[in-house]
Amino acid sequence: DVKVTQSSRYLVKRTGEKVFLECVQDMDHENMFWYRQDPGLGLRLIYFSYDVKMKEKGDIPEGYSVSREKKERFSLILESASTNQTSMYLCAIRPGQTYGYTFGSGTRLTVV
Amino acid sequence: TQLLEQSPQFLSIQEGENLTVYCNSSSVFSSLQWYRQEPGEGPVLLVTVVTGGEVKKLKRLTFQFGDARKDSSLHITAAQPGDTGLYLCAGWGGSGGSNYKLTFGKGTLLTVNP
Repeated sequence: DVKVTQSSRYLVKRTGEKVFLECVQDMDHENMFWYRQDPGLGLRLIYFSYDVKMKEKGDIPEGYSVSREKKERFSLILESASTNQTSMYLCAIRPGQTYGYTFGSGTRLTVV
Repeated sequence: TQLLEQSPQFLSIQEGENLTVYCNSSSVFSSLQWYRQEPGEGPVLLVTVVTGGEVKKLKRLTFQFGDARKDSSLHITAAQPGDTGLYLCAGWGGSGGSNYKLTFGKGTLLTVNP
């Protein structure tokens, strides 16, 4: 089974800092996704990528950017962290043409 | 517009009870999936239903896809504390949805008390 690893389980950053969240898969799947999850709002798609150097905006891309230089790694960047970006961030991949996503364990980010 | 509505939003029951949670939409989906998410972890796929009227069983969990492929239900028999978690439904397609990314419901938070 494919494994999705997010580099940090918990992060605390200061307002205005540039923040990098890393997501790595151990196979060669094309489709990778970044979500944030907040109580009452559910999972919201920030960005996704369908191949190296290819990216598409999701539903809430403002304040975020992404990078995919290698197929196995998809990075989410908070250009200037703000307190309203405190959230649980989840990376997911879609293995091939299967129906489901495989998620990482998540990064709980707190911006103070 | 929320394409997938889940109910109830919260459910707290005693060990041994049965329960059903629902996932409803006014749109037709090509398939629906159910995930369970434990606190501090990412969601884990439980099952995918594809055919209208399909029923799938996973131990004490029974999943059903509506005949019109607009709704789904999850029934748990004799719930155990280990069933505690957030249950999410998700679908491909749907009016206003997409065939390249999943649409998620907001989830049902289930607590099973010993």
